[in-house]
Amino acid sequence: EAGVAQSPRYKIIEKRQSVAFWCNPISGHATLYWYQQILGQGPKLLIQFQNNGVVDDSQLPKDRFSAERLKGVDSTLKIQPAKLEDSAVYLCASSLGSLGWRETQYFGPGTRLLVL
Amino acid sequence: AQSVSQHNHHVILSEAASLELGCNYSYGGTVNLFWYVQYPGQHLQLLLKYFSGDPLVKGIKGFEAEFIKSKFSFNLRKPSVQWSDTAEYFCAVNGLGSGNTGKLIFGQGTTLQVKP
Repeated sequence: EAGVAQSPRYKIIEKRQSVAFWCNPISGHATLYWYQQILGQGPKLLIQFQNNGVVDDSQLPKDRFSAERLKGVDSTLKIQPAKLEDSAVYLCASSLGSLGWRETQYFGPGTRLLVL
Repeated sequence: AQSVSQHNHHVILSEAASLELGCNYSYGGTVNLFWYVQYPGQHLQLLLKYFSGDPLVKGIKGFEAEFIKSKFSFNLRKPSVQWSDTAEYFCAVNGLGSGNTGKLIFGQGTTLQVKP
């Protein structure tokens, strides 16, 4: 079975520029997560979708970050404008059902963002 | 506040040595516990998980972990490590306290280096 796909794998931008990341979850997975992993830290949830609805975006900096999951499949995460502290790996994960807490999450390879 | 603490940031072992990585969590209510591993150049993958039942759980590649509720701990163990176990290990928790959404709270990770 194909895993979670993400692109691009690497991105370098200057501060105040915008950037977008794309995620394609495992086929049939209803729930999709975006995590931010800053160097030396564990991943932190930014936003969670169940199908195309937002379940949790409490830690998403909404003044600069946005995300959507049209048609309940692919998702994009956008940063506009980027700040230096946004340098991190952005991980996408998906899980099969809607049981939430008892679902195993499968992670993609991540997008490594460097903001100069 | 919900949190996960991993005591060891960087562990260096020789092959065949025994491994124990500490993980403590702070979480009100019923919890699920996970260990994820990230091998060099690869994505995060599930090593093992505890939902309920036998507190000693076995995962892939000879790893096991024990849930001790009274100590809020979920330590990872392996009796004899191999060079191929060199990786970063993350402990994570979710549970009913997160509103059943499945949001994972990660520790900061432990880098394991196994010398041949």
